[in-house]
Amino acid sequence: AQSVAQPEDQVNVAEGNPLTVKCTYSVSGNPYLFWYVQYPNRGLQFLLKYITGDNLVKGSYGFEAEFNKSQTSFHLKKPSALVSDSALYFCAVRDMNTGRRALTFGSGTRLQVQP
Amino acid sequence: DVKVTQSSRYLVKRTGEKVFLECVQDMDHENMFWYRQDPGLGLRLIYFSYDVKMKEKGDIPEGYSVSREKKERFSLILESASTNQTSMYLCASSLLGRGTSASLEQFFGPGTRLTVL
Repeated sequence: AQSVAQPEDQVNVAEGNPLTVKCTYSVSGNPYLFWYVQYPNRGLQFLLKYITGDNLVKGSYGFEAEFNKSQTSFHLKKPSALVSDSALYFCAVRDMNTGRRALTFGSGTRLQVQP
Repeated sequence: DVKVTQSSRYLVKRTGEKVFLECVQDMDHENMFWYRQDPGLGLRLIYFSYDVKMKEKGDIPEGYSVSREKKERFSLILESASTNQTSMYLCASSLLGRGTSASLEQFFGPGTRLTVL
């Protein structure tokens, strides 16, 4: 079975400071990992993904994420937060070695960036 | 531009009614998905379809059914709506995803917020 944990319901950061949103995963094989963002009253928007290769993945809006196999983590990061980054962030995983086509999502982390 | 549309943004129905939620994608994607989103629970997969007339149960299929008669359209049906089906419903689509070179990200519609009274 595949699962994702986002241990923080909410992360608060001041504008201009670096931000980290945490994600850990569990799969039996190798993972495909994703980050999505949801702005109020909107669907989810794709931010970035890790499939294979470089452990540091760069995505939209200046976000990046680091795949750490030994810690089974895929934390989302940004060097300098903007107020407009305030949103709900979801981590998702798919196990490459199973036939399951769908992603499993975490419970979400609300990011609040204060001016 | 990639587009997934859902028939309604907001819907209010009464207990026992039959409810249809429609989703259309214009990207010629093979896979289509229905999720429900609830606070603190994230997104949970209800059903997905990988081809016309093909469907598979997700993690929470009870009380729901689906229909995929055309590649671009995937419908979620609540046979007899209940108050515990009040939720945000999200439709998504993706390519089939063969091999690591295939694009696997899912593209989401704006969601339908369903209230069952």
